[in-house]
Amino acid sequence: DAKTTQPPSMDCAEGRAANLPCNHSTISGNEYVYWYRQIHSQGPQYIIHGLKNNETNEMASLIITEDRKSSTLILPHATLRDTAVYYCIVRISSNTGKLIFGQGTTLQVKP
Amino acid sequence: GAGVSQSPRYKVAKRGQDVALRCDPISGHVSLFWYQQALGQGPEFLTYFQNEAQLDKSGLPSDRFFAERPEGSVSTLKIQRTQQEDSAVYLCASSFSGKDTQYFGPGTRLTVL
Repeated sequence: DAKTTQPPSMDCAEGRAANLPCNHSTISGNEYVYWYRQIHSQGPQYIIHGLKNNETNEMASLIITEDRKSSTLILPHATLRDTAVYYCIVRISSNTGKLIFGQGTTLQVKP
Repeated sequence: GAGVSQSPRYKVAKRGQDVALRCDPISGHVSLFWYQQALGQGPEFLTYFQNEAQLDKSGLPSDRFFAERPEGSVSTLKIQRTQQEDSAVYLCASSFSGKDTQYFGPGTRLTVL
């Protein structure tokens, strides 16, 4: 699976949008971009995924650049409960779809 | 509906003891994954089941680690003769099929003294 690069940490003010970047310059055409987050002492929580089109759900929006070499996860109105480690994962669609996690971005939402 | 559950949530073992960690996947999910997460690191893949078949065990760190899913539902990860380096959070995830979104349980925190 392609490797991803994320900043180790970010801060965001409560109520503001949090924009978390991810670089995946070696992504292949059949690889999806997945985002998970992990709140302290919990298991990873699925947020959103996409192939090449932008995606939105009740939790977040995912913006993928046209060349697919990078993406941004957007939390539109961050709350204190969004403080977590956010993982960007590139994953090939196959029957043995193990996830390869990097170090992720620690997002600290501040009041 | 109910999510992935794991038990126990916390386990303390003395070095050399055997431990068994249980995972109850989401009902109807064919695929089940085990991951190991060391302190301050991202989860790392251990093994993968499709129904009762263990299709990938490439991430198991040693032959002391053994996983099974005999009826294609509940899975058990067993660690024999535990060592201090086995201390970690063990996460289970399930998905409808191998290529679908994986949903994680809360994990079991294993501490080996």
